Amino acid sequence: SQQGEEDPQALSIQEGENATMNCSYKTSINNLQWYRQNSGRGLVHLILIRSNEREKHSGRLRVTLDTSKKSSSLLITASRAADTASYFCAVNAGGTSYGKLTFGQGTILTVHP
Amino acid sequence: EAGVAQSPRYKIIEKRQSVAFWCNPISGHATLYWYQQILGQGPKLLIQFQNNGVVDDSQLPKDRFSAERLKGVDSTLKIQPAKLEDSAVYLCASSRLVGVQAETQYFGPGTRLLVL
Repeated sequence: SQQGEEDPQALSIQEGENATMNCSYKTSINNLQWYRQNSGRGLVHLILIRSNEREKHSGRLRVTLDTSKKSSSLLITASRAADTASYFCAVNAGGTSYGKLTFGQGTILTVHP
Repeated sequence: EAGVAQSPRYKIIEKRQSVAFWCNPISGHATLYWYQQILGQGPKLLIQFQNNGVVDDSQLPKDRFSAERLKGVDSTLKIQPAKLEDSAVYLCASSRLVGVQAETQYFGPGTRLLVL
């Protein structure tokens, strides 16, 4: 079953603007992760947020987690053309999932110079 | 630190043929994953190994797909016989695993398979 579902499916912005992507999921989680994928570098881990955390930062990235609403958001500030990629959330469900991640369909971000 | 290695990078076969993909994970990573990513979708887990044992293969089409991880290091994923709908990118990933929680997964470049 599909866990993480990203919204919007596609986002087009100008360089310097902020980009916000949302992810919703259905079950309890151990953690939620965000990944980026582009043709040049493949699938790359961005940030991991655990179920007992509400917010994490990494450089220009800010991730929030609301377990009561079963949702997460990824904010990229001051976007650059190099941020153009597909962004996926991935959920590690609670229980004995042994590290299994379930990925969403992704958000395609295009940053125009 | 060397990343996850995969080969081949591209493969074109005809339906009903067989194909095999190889993956070498990051040294010291006990957990290895194979994912299938169809164009326009997110990766879907096919099989997960912990050392050389399978911990999850619930989404592996076992009538045609098989995978092994000998000696808990390298892994091979095989499709026999291939169908048109198997056209996808096959991604290998590895991670350390702490208890039952997922840690960061490191992905290889993938093998792009086209079945004609």
